[in-house]
Amino acid sequence: DTEVTQTPKHLVMGMTNKKSLKCEQHMGHRAMYWYKQKAKKPPELMFVYSYEKLSINESVPSRFSPECPNSSLLNLHLHALQPEDSALYLCASSQDSLDRPITDTQYFGPGTRLTVL
Amino acid sequence: QKEVEQNSGPLSVPEGAIASLNCTYSDRGSQSFFWYRQYSGKSPELIMFIYSNGDKEDGRFTAQLNKASQYVSLLIRDSQPSDSATYLCAVNPRRALTFGSGTRLQVQP
Repeated sequence: DTEVTQTPKHLVMGMTNKKSLKCEQHMGHRAMYWYKQKAKKPPELMFVYSYEKLSINESVPSRFSPECPNSSLLNLHLHALQPEDSALYLCASSQDSLDRPITDTQYFGPGTRLTVL
Repeated sequence: QKEVEQNSGPLSVPEGAIASLNCTYSDRGSQSFFWYRQYSGKSPELIMFIYSNGDKEDGRFTAQLNKASQYVSLLIRDSQPSDSATYLCAVNPRRALTFGSGTRLQVQP
């Protein structure tokens, strides 16, 4: 089973709202990722959690706040977003094998389509 | 120079033909290479990965890697209209994927 689930599928929010995106995997993976994808562009890495610790933050604005409550769950808290933050937000997970890192393969969830008004 | 480069296309091939998708990368330390397929409005779906020089076949798909030339390709045999999508090449030099801009493939019935 290579399933990563994301909720909600679609989200519309105003610039003053606070909302959260959720991601879950039950593959025993120890690395989880958030990507942002604008139309006709490739995914851009935002954050990486490895063994429940934040290991990469790609200089993302503080209005995006990630959280990893446990090894299966990843949240992205949103606050005071701008219209240019509207995009497809993708969660991914990988095994993050410490002894064979080159074989680490990321699997993506279906994404959350976010619209900021 | 972009880290991962792909021709944006569209690459148009007739049904039943071989589609050849190419990708070059700049980091010689790259060790893992991935091809993802992405339909419009959907998330990327893993097609193949390759770590060693040479060819790797999986059904109608063949990935080819040449580390000396810093080149990786994906061949799709017997192309079908359902293969029409954007194909993303991704490289993993530091355990976080770096994507190319993708090549849009159109398979004409």
